[in-house]
Amino acid sequence: KQEVTQIPAALSVPEGENLVLNCSFTDSAIYNLQWFRQDPGKGLTSLLLIQSSQREQTSGRLNASLDKSSGRSTLYIAASQPGDSATYLCAASGANSKLTFGKGITLSVRP
Amino acid sequence: EPEVTQTPSHQVTQMGQEVILRCVPISNHLYFYWYRQILGQKVEFLVSFYNNEISEKSEIFDDQFSVERPDGSNFTLKIRSTKLEDSAMYFCASRGTLQYGYTFGSGTRLTVV
Repeated sequence: KQEVTQIPAALSVPEGENLVLNCSFTDSAIYNLQWFRQDPGKGLTSLLLIQSSQREQTSGRLNASLDKSSGRSTLYIAASQPGDSATYLCAASGANSKLTFGKGITLSVRP
Repeated sequence: EPEVTQTPSHQVTQMGQEVILRCVPISNHLYFYWYRQILGQKVEFLVSFYNNEISEKSEIFDDQFSVERPDGSNFTLKIRSTKLEDSAMYFCASRGTLQYGYTFGSGTRLTVV
């Protein structure tokens, strides 16, 4: 059974800092891995999707990497801004297509 | 950009009542899902739907739950007799193929009183 872990649960950084959010998963037989952003009380916004055959994906200030062999993914946020404050969720998709989510990392970027 | 639309955004219901949560997936998508998130907990899988039938369901998805795609555009989740512990945010999602990522709706917050 797939388990996805995100540590720490919360992170506070000053504006402008580059930061890395970590995600680990127990079953390396994933189909793809997706990072989402969730604002309080809101839905899930897809940030990046990495296929199992890929090592990384980039979108603007965001870069996500995937290392299947070690069961890890990271989301790198460059030059963080207060508007980046949100909860960031990673989710692994297996061949059965369902997503298994981590609990998320709540990021606070201080002005 | 295409969206997954969910209605209502918030529903309050009395324990024991039936509720229907509605979703309009992206029109050319083939795979449809319901997930839920109890306050402060992980987003958890409920059910997946493909080719007009359930392809997988979780332990949570018991006989009180059902899904339907009645008209080729809407995708509904019915809870027959709601319990207090059904209070959660319910998310609908769709995807085109298994290679593509999920697109989630903005959710329905269900409050059972």
